[in-house]
Amino acid sequence: GENVEQHPSTLSVQEGDSAVIKCTYSDSASNYFPWYKQELGKRPQLIIDIRSNVGEKKDQRIAVTLNKTAKHFSLHITETQPEDSAVYFCAARSYSSASKIIFGSGTRLSIRP
Amino acid sequence: DTEVTQTPKHLVMGMTNKKSLKCEQHMGHRAMYWYKQKAKKPPELMFVYSYEKLSINESVPSRFSPECPNSSLLNLHLHALQPEDSALYLCASSQDPRNQETQYFGPGTRLLVL
Repeated sequence: GENVEQHPSTLSVQEGDSAVIKCTYSDSASNYFPWYKQELGKRPQLIIDIRSNVGEKKDQRIAVTLNKTAKHFSLHITETQPEDSAVYFCAARSYSSASKIIFGSGTRLSIRP
Repeated sequence: DTEVTQTPKHLVMGMTNKKSLKCEQHMGHRAMYWYKQKAKKPPELMFVYSYEKLSINESVPSRFSPECPNSSLLNLHLHALQPEDSALYLCASSQDPRNQETQYFGPGTRLLVL
């Protein structure tokens, strides 16, 4: 089955700097890759997603890149702000298991003022 | 209505109690999910309902019993739980279980088993 690895587990960056979180997946049939942000005590919220027919997607300060050959995808946050502090989860879903999302272990991002 | 709602927000129960968690969505989504989330861990899939039928049970102990009365409602019945079942229980929904659709999460029920 699918396995998703996420690095780093914790990340601290200076406000205004960029943050990058990386994930790898094992199932070459995976074709949908969402990223969720979870603030303390809150629900996971989708912040961006990418499908396997696209290599990069951007939404304001957030971008995701996908390398299907290497089976890895990354989240890039530019001009970080205090409200970006949260736990970020990458995830992957295979076409063969349309209902099942496999999550990475999470990255706790802290923004230093 | 573009939200998934869950009740109650918090629940404390003893190991002999019976309680139920409730999830509701009015977005016309036909897939609904139960996840369990322990502190500092990702959500862990428990059950998936597709078109009101149970399609995935991730080998969850029988003390957890899901129910989908209609396309908008999802319940999780709890009986004889153990302290290690204490966690945040998240409900989610997505539009069409056959397609690669985004899952939207509810706020969760924080459960404490004493």
